[in-house]
Amino acid sequence: NAGVTQTPKFQVLKTGQSMTLQCAQDMNHEYMSWYRQDPGMGLRLIHYSVGAGITDQGEVPNGYNVSRSTTEDFPLRLLSAAPSQTSVYFCASSLQGGYGYTFGSGTRLTVV
Amino acid sequence: QQQVKQSPQSLIVQKGGISIINCAYENTAFDYFPWYQQFPGKGPALLIAIRPDVSEKKEGRFTISFNKSAKQFSLHIMDSQPGDSATYFCAASMMGRQLTFGSGTQLTVLP
Repeated sequence: NAGVTQTPKFQVLKTGQSMTLQCAQDMNHEYMSWYRQDPGMGLRLIHYSVGAGITDQGEVPNGYNVSRSTTEDFPLRLLSAAPSQTSVYFCASSLQGGYGYTFGSGTRLTVV
Repeated sequence: QQQVKQSPQSLIVQKGGISIINCAYENTAFDYFPWYQQFPGKGPALLIAIRPDVSEKKEGRFTISFNKSAKQFSLHIMDSQPGDSATYFCAASMMGRQLTFGSGTQLTVLP
């Protein structure tokens, strides 16, 4: 039982490049979310999903896309990276929405 | 609009002391208030949570106090230990929807 697995752990991108942050969970959780963590700002919700094929925007969705084709996977795509997207990204999953989220170990992204 | 306000931003406590972190919320529809603990390089982990029909919940050295009328809740860490040094986040959600987090408190417990 691996929990929530995020890859890669570290990534450096040039402005304008695109990439996908991977997230997988093996707990059969319906709810999955992506957060970004910036100093002094806590964790802010980017996108979330309440089940396969269903996604919605969070507080800071601009510049990011998601899809949920399976229960296990919830990738986050950066369309055209900008320095403002330098952050630590966390994926989380839960059996019951806001209750008892399990977080991955994060991806530290730097955009230069 | 920040719906959950957390203070202090940083806290230094001597070993054996009491650590207190406070949060205030605005949306009275919130019905679940968890606290998360995060160590450097790790993701946040659920520490303890409370619902608004209870004024206090205790798990070991960790206690949540909840004041519904004041729309405030706090985390108390009794007998604080150096191993408790971490960043703590309060959060809130309503009806099983997504979590709204506070800005975090970096706790340092001195040996």
